[in-house]
Amino acid sequence: AQSVSQHNHHVILSEAASLELGCNYSYGGTVNLFWYVQYPGQHLQLLLKYFSGDPLVKGIKGFEAEFIKSKFSFNLRKPSVQWSDTAEYFCAVNTGGFKTIFGAGTRLFVKA
Amino acid sequence: GAVVSQHPSWVICKSGTSVKIECRSLDFQATTMFWYRQFPKQSLMLMATSNEGSKATYEQGVEKDKFLINHASLTLSTLTVTSAHPEDSSFYICSARVGGGAGGTEAFFGQGTRLTVV
Repeated sequence: AQSVSQHNHHVILSEAASLELGCNYSYGGTVNLFWYVQYPGQHLQLLLKYFSGDPLVKGIKGFEAEFIKSKFSFNLRKPSVQWSDTAEYFCAVNTGGFKTIFGAGTRLFVKA
Repeated sequence: GAVVSQHPSWVICKSGTSVKIECRSLDFQATTMFWYRQFPKQSLMLMATSNEGSKATYEQGVEKDKFLINHASLTLSTLTVTSAHPEDSSFYICSARVGGGAGGTEAFFGQGTRLTVV
């Protein structure tokens, strides 16, 4: 069965630090990849997505992610985090059907 | 983006009673909606796919008689937790895609419903 693995459950950073959240998936075929963010008290919302083309995807709020097919990875990055980036981040994979499989989530806390 | 509204956002019920959670797509029609369950510190687990006008498709291990799903219109899906027990306490989230068909279109999420069974 397909699965999504996020490497860190909790990450604490100071403002201006660089961020990288790991995401690996298990599926050998074509995938669509997503990163969602959930700010405290708010809905899940889409940060960025990869369907095809350039494996380096840029999303909202300065986030980007790189799809490395050989590593089955889709890591999320941001060069300089802000206090307002404090949230929970979910990696998700869709294998072309209706189902979207989510990782366990990573809680990011940014110290001001 | 499209808006999905879930109601209620928080409910407490007594063990043995039933609870209904509504999921509405406010500004688009959703032929398919999805119901997820999230335990603390765990991932969103897909429970079922709700199809307008037909029976829901349940994931393996999800009791269809306990988690009743009705998708009566293109903008409303309901999840009823029947004869709730404390172990059903969880965070339930619905989502819907804009447009039909399978594939990688973006999903929009409701705000979730925290169910506490006492």
